[in-house]
Amino acid sequence: AQSVTQPDIHITVSEGASLELRCNYSYGATPYLFWYVQSPGQGLQLLLKYFSGDTLVQGIKGFEAEFKRSQSSFNLRKPSVHWSDAAEYFCAVEVVEYGNKLVFGAGTILRVKS
Amino acid sequence: NAGVTQTPKFRVLKTGQSMTLLCAQDMNHEYMYWYRQDPGMGLRLIHYSVGEGTTAKGEVPDGYNVSRLKKQNFLLGLESAAPSQTSVYFCASSYLAGVDNEQFFGPGTRLTVL
Repeated sequence: AQSVTQPDIHITVSEGASLELRCNYSYGATPYLFWYVQSPGQGLQLLLKYFSGDTLVQGIKGFEAEFKRSQSSFNLRKPSVHWSDAAEYFCAVEVVEYGNKLVFGAGTILRVKS
Repeated sequence: NAGVTQTPKFRVLKTGQSMTLLCAQDMNHEYMYWYRQDPGMGLRLIHYSVGEGTTAKGEVPDGYNVSRLKKQNFLLGLESAAPSQTSVYFCASSYLAGVDNEQFFGPGTRLTVL
């Protein structure tokens, strides 16, 4: 069955440090992959998406993610974290059932130390 | 454009009470979805619709009903609320499904069932 694993429940980084959030997926077909961010009390905002082509995708707010088929991974990175990046981050894969639903990981909460 | 809006933002119910959550989108999207978000579990699909007048069950449909009488609106009903339905509910919409069709999310409704 399709699934998304985000191994880190919480991550704390210092402001200005680099960030990598891990995501592994399990899906038999070509994956369409997404990263969403959720600020406290807010809805989900799309950071970036991968459908095909270049395996390194750029998103908003300076984020990027790299798709590695051999590792079934889609890790999110940012070279220098800002305090405003503190939020919860969700990785998701689109699956061809239930109207092309999204299967989400459990999320990673990012805390930024000043 | 307002995007995807949800009403109400917060609600407290007693066990056995009923209520309806309203989702509205002004992007002329065909697909609409209702997800619930629970701590440590990401988002799970409750029901979805692929067009006006159509609805279908998602992963966790028990205890919920939906209707899509108008293309822009997707209603989620709880006929007899239970404490297990305490959650944050998100509505999402997309123009179509598949390649290059991202889901746009509303701000969520926080529901507590006592």
